[in-house]
Amino acid sequence: EVQLVQSGAEVKKPGESLKISCKASGYTFTSYWIAWVRQMPGKGLEWMGIIYPGDSDTRYSPSFRGQVTISADKSITTAYLQWSSLKASDTAMYYCARQPSTGYYNFDYWGQGTPVTVSS
Amino acid sequence: DIQLTQSPSSLSASVGDRVTITCRASQTISNYLNWYQQKPGKAPKLLMYGASTLQSGVPSRFSGSGSGTDFTLTISSLQPEDSAFYYCQQSYSPSGTFGQGTKVEIK
Repeated sequence: EVQLVQSGAEVKKPGESLKISCKASGYTFTSYWIAWVRQMPGKGLEWMGIIYPGDSDTRYSPSFRGQVTISADKSITTAYLQWSSLKASDTAMYYCARQPSTGYYNFDYWGQGTPVTVSS
Repeated sequence: DIQLTQSPSSLSASVGDRVTITCRASQTISNYLNWYQQKPGKAPKLLMYGASTLQSGVPSRFSGSGSGTDFTLTISSLQPEDSAFYYCQQSYSPSGTFGQGTKVEIK
């Protein structure tokens, strides 16, 4: 069974760093892309970026390039999203999602989401 | 970036009604268009990919059509459990942008 299990809720202060995770199981981790999607409170879905763990090829939305870093560790089938200096505007739910490397590049499996709250 | 515009932003319909949501792309995306359903407090769920292919396990009352820049998601007979937000997403370009979403409510 394919599963993406994300790390738990985070409460941070502005300026702090953060790394959240997405643990994959039930499929060949290195053969699918993993994307990160932001959903701010009461708002829609935003595509942030994506990584191919097989070769670490990483792409970012122009809106998020330089604001976050996406990485993956093949040895523990886990993808990460990290910030070096959080802002209040980073408060949101963050989802990871699996994308096939062929076909129509849809998101066929999603994590349960990690809520991040940034407040002083 | 390719922009996606959904309409309407929200709708209210009765059980059994036929409901149609449209998604327009700012440039041609062939049929690289996916639809997702999101219920409150839950992760999105893939409904349709390649504009018209139903994801496994999704009820057949859902259907999709379109190619190029104009796409539709249709629910042939609205059910109470279909109350949710619906999002289109293009996967033609590397940044897979989403539409702004459509809220479907049951009257």
